[in-house]
Amino acid sequence: GESVGLHLPTLSVQEGDNSIINCAYSNSASDYFIWYKQESGKGPQFIIDIRSNMDKRQGQRVTVLLNKTVKHLSLQIAATQPGDSAVYFCAESLGNTGKLIFGQGTTLQVKP
Amino acid sequence: GAGVSQSPSNKVTEKGKDVELRCDPISGHTALYWYRQSLGQGLEFLIYFQGNSAPDKSGLPSDRFSAERTGGSVSTLTIQRTQQEDSAVYLCASSSQGVREKLFFGSGTQLSVL
Repeated sequence: GESVGLHLPTLSVQEGDNSIINCAYSNSASDYFIWYKQESGKGPQFIIDIRSNMDKRQGQRVTVLLNKTVKHLSLQIAATQPGDSAVYFCAESLGNTGKLIFGQGTTLQVKP
Repeated sequence: GAGVSQSPSNKVTEKGKDVELRCDPISGHTALYWYRQSLGQGLEFLIYFQGNSAPDKSGLPSDRFSAERTGGSVSTLTIQRTQQEDSAVYLCASSSQGVREKLFFGSGTQLSVL
């Protein structure tokens, strides 16, 4: 069935290091992918998105990589800061369905 | 308002009671979504409204769940005869047409069914 999963439930990094959060998706027809950040007690917040006609997109301190061959998505955070500590979700969408399918989430812990 | 507003922020109810959860989307956003998030889990799609089109109800887990959107703005998610397994955070999100898949989420309603 439809599913988007994450390889690691928890990632712990040292402040200042780079973080890489991975995601596997199952629907090869998905053409739009998003990363969300969710802090405790809050709703998810948009970080960055990428369409399937791209394999890389950069934002401020974040980069999303898309490998359609192996159906893999990753979020790279440069110079991780304590404020980056949160749960990160990837989500996929197919065409014009308007429905996002979310993965289980990876908890990022940043050690000072 | 500036963002998506949900009320109440917390709701405790007894098994078998009905509950109504409210969502005020960002003004002008045509798309509205409801998701459910169980403790430590990802987001489970429930229902999606887009403009005047028929809603996509494919994620509603049972006929005890229903939602409506009045006047293309405020939405209410109703759970009838609540069960303990309905306990979760119910998140509402909205998006503007043209960038409809960039969702702006509210802070959610924490529902606890005793």
